Amino acid sequence: SAVISQKPSRDICQRGTSLTIQCQVDSQVTMMFWYRQQPGQSLTLIATANQGSEATYESGFVIDKFPISRPNLTFSTLTVSNMSPEDSSIYLCSVLDRREEAFFGQGTRLTVV
Amino acid sequence: AQTVTQSQPEMSVQEAETVTLSCTYDTSESNYYLFWYKQPPSRQMILVIRQEAYKQQNATENRFSVNFQKAAKSFSLKISDSQLGDTAMYFCAFMKHVKRMKTSYDKVIFGPGTSLSVIP
Repeated sequence: SAVISQKPSRDICQRGTSLTIQCQVDSQVTMMFWYRQQPGQSLTLIATANQGSEATYESGFVIDKFPISRPNLTFSTLTVSNMSPEDSSIYLCSVLDRREEAFFGQGTRLTVV
Repeated sequence: AQTVTQSQPEMSVQEAETVTLSCTYDTSESNYYLFWYKQPPSRQMILVIRQEAYKQQNATENRFSVNFQKAAKSFSLKISDSQLGDTAMYFCAFMKHVKRMKTSYDKVIFGPGTSLSVIP
């Protein structure tokens, strides 16, 4: 299993600003995943982050809005840029272990006002 | 397109009773993984149980078991002897391998979730 530390756990931000969410894993992993969970909804994959290369974004998500960094095999950041109230969600990072099981951080609850 | 459907938005069960959560999925692949995840109010996603599509035997983890019907593309979760701590959102999930131009990776697709309440 993998232990994932994600921060901040929550934040309230002004519209038009940006927030960077950090995800630290206790072991080296090839891929890290970023999800969004809108209120009362399921998880939607934003992008997949591979160390040393540009992130791969899912349909409906773009790099300018959600830039991702992956500087090494244990760390990644997701930035939510130029925020609007519609960006209010829970953001979760995730990794897959050798058994193809997904483990998740505690999530970041973002409220944009 | 791969989709995951959970037809029961909300369910409730009396403590110590048994409850079954439904899940169906759609895929053209023959080899894949299926999961049930639990998300309590703390919002931490917790893996409950996994099933590999090539295994005919249904997975079991203590009070949790699945009924995997590959031909019907059905993957239901049975919780026995329900406990108050089982109160949570339950997400059925499907993993597929994705190949893009420059990379490939495993992608997990989640169903809409079922909110389970265990009643004392």
